[in-house]
Amino acid sequence: EAGVTQFPSHSVIEKGQTVTLRCDPISGHDNLYWYRRVMGKEIKFLLHFVKESKQDESGMPNNRFLAERTGGTYSTLKVQPAELEDSGVYFCASSHQHNSPLHFGNGTRLTVT
Amino acid sequence: DQQVKQNSPSLSVQEGRISILNCDYTNSMFDYFLWYKKYPAEGPTFLISISSIKDKNEDGRFTVFLNKSAKHLSLHIVPSQPGDSAVYFCAAWAGAGSYQLTFGKGTKLSVIP
Repeated sequence: EAGVTQFPSHSVIEKGQTVTLRCDPISGHDNLYWYRRVMGKEIKFLLHFVKESKQDESGMPNNRFLAERTGGTYSTLKVQPAELEDSGVYFCASSHQHNSPLHFGNGTRLTVT
Repeated sequence: DQQVKQNSPSLSVQEGRISILNCDYTNSMFDYFLWYKKYPAEGPTFLISISSIKDKNEDGRFTVFLNKSAKHLSLHIVPSQPGDSAVYFCAAWAGAGSYQLTFGKGTKLSVIP
């Protein structure tokens, strides 16, 4: 079975630009999560989808971040406009049930210059 | 304020010996704990977990111990192998209704051949 895939693996953009990250969860996994690791810090929760619905978006830093999961399959995370402090590694994870261990993708390393 | 703390950023162990990774938590609502292992440029991979109703869970060379009164858990790897060299993250769930994983900052384990 294919794992969680994320695209792109790296992105370098200038402050003020827009970036869209994509996540394809494991097929059949209704639960999809976004996490972020800023350099030197812990991995932090951003939000949780159950199918196409946002179950919990309490970790989203501000309204420059927009996550969608149309059709309940893949998800996108858009940052607009990007700021320097948005740099970090963005991980997507999925699980079959909400209380199952999460399967993580390899992450997208975002650098905002 | 960190709710999950891994106070040792790094640990070096000789091959064949025991590796002990420690984790402390402050939130008494946490009732399920997980350890993830992460190689460079990859996402975290689930290793082992423990429910708060248990004090020990074992899976092959990996054992997790939980001391609820001390709010402390540890991961034991024995015998350690060079392939175990990675960053290990302790993570916790706060129970029903909350599916955010709270992570520690990680401990980098180096197993020396």
